[in-house]
Amino acid sequence: KAGVTQTPRYLIKTRGQQVTLSCSPISGHRSVSWYQQTPGQGLQFLFEYFSETQRNKGNFPGRFSGRQFSNSRSEMNVSTLELGDSALYLCASSLADRDSGELFFGEGSRLTVL
Amino acid sequence: AQSVTQLGSHVSVSEGALVLLRCNYSSSVPPYLFWYVQYPNQGLQLLLKYTSAATLVKGINGFEAEFKKSETSFHLTKPSAHMSDAAEYFCAVSEGNAGGTSYGKLTFGQGTILTVHP
Repeated sequence: KAGVTQTPRYLIKTRGQQVTLSCSPISGHRSVSWYQQTPGQGLQFLFEYFSETQRNKGNFPGRFSGRQFSNSRSEMNVSTLELGDSALYLCASSLADRDSGELFFGEGSRLTVL
Repeated sequence: AQSVTQLGSHVSVSEGALVLLRCNYSSSVPPYLFWYVQYPNQGLQLLLKYTSAATLVKGINGFEAEFKKSETSFHLTKPSAHMSDAAEYFCAVSEGNAGGTSYGKLTFGQGTILTVHP
C-alpha cells in the first residue's frame, strides 16, 4: 500500500508570492492534517480536513489555507509569502473518522522563501 | 491545553548502550501518547503509541515506552543502541477521543536528537 505522497518535495519562492502544496493520503484514509516544521518552533499543527470539511485548525494567520477534494487528496496554500514561512510542511493522513491520534506522515515539502 | 516536554535536546550513547529518551506531558483529559522518529530529509515514522490499554508499550525496532500517570511521563527506551537508531525523536500527545479540537492534532515536544557512537 502506497504511503502519503507530497509534491513538490522542494521549492523556492520569493517574498510576496504564493505557493500550493499537494498531498495524497494513504488509500482509504479520509482525514488529512498539515503541519509546519521549523528549527525554532518545531512541529506545529496547521489544520485538519475530513470529508472535504475543515474540522480543526491551529493558530496560523489566514494566509494559510487548505482544502480537501472528494478523493481525499488535499492541498494547502500560503499566500503573500514571508521569510518566516520557510519550513518543512508535512502532511499526515489517518484512517479513523474519530481521532485515534495515529497519523501517517509524508516526507514533506521543503519550502524556502527568499 | 496539552503540552509535551522532552528533557534533553541531544542525547549521545555508545553502540550497545541503553537508550533513554525522556518525555513528560500535560493534558486535561486522558491522553493518547506517541513516539515518532524522523530521519534526515524524511517525514515522521510512528515508533509506538499508548491509547489507554497496557501501560508498557512495545514498538518497532526494539523500542518500548512506559506510561506512568503519577509521573505524567512516557519515556522511550531501548536496551541496546544500534548505529541505525541515530535520528531525531519526537514525543507527542493527543486528546484521544475528546473529538472536536483533537481532530488530526498532535502536540509535539521539541525533539531529541540521538547520536550513537561506535
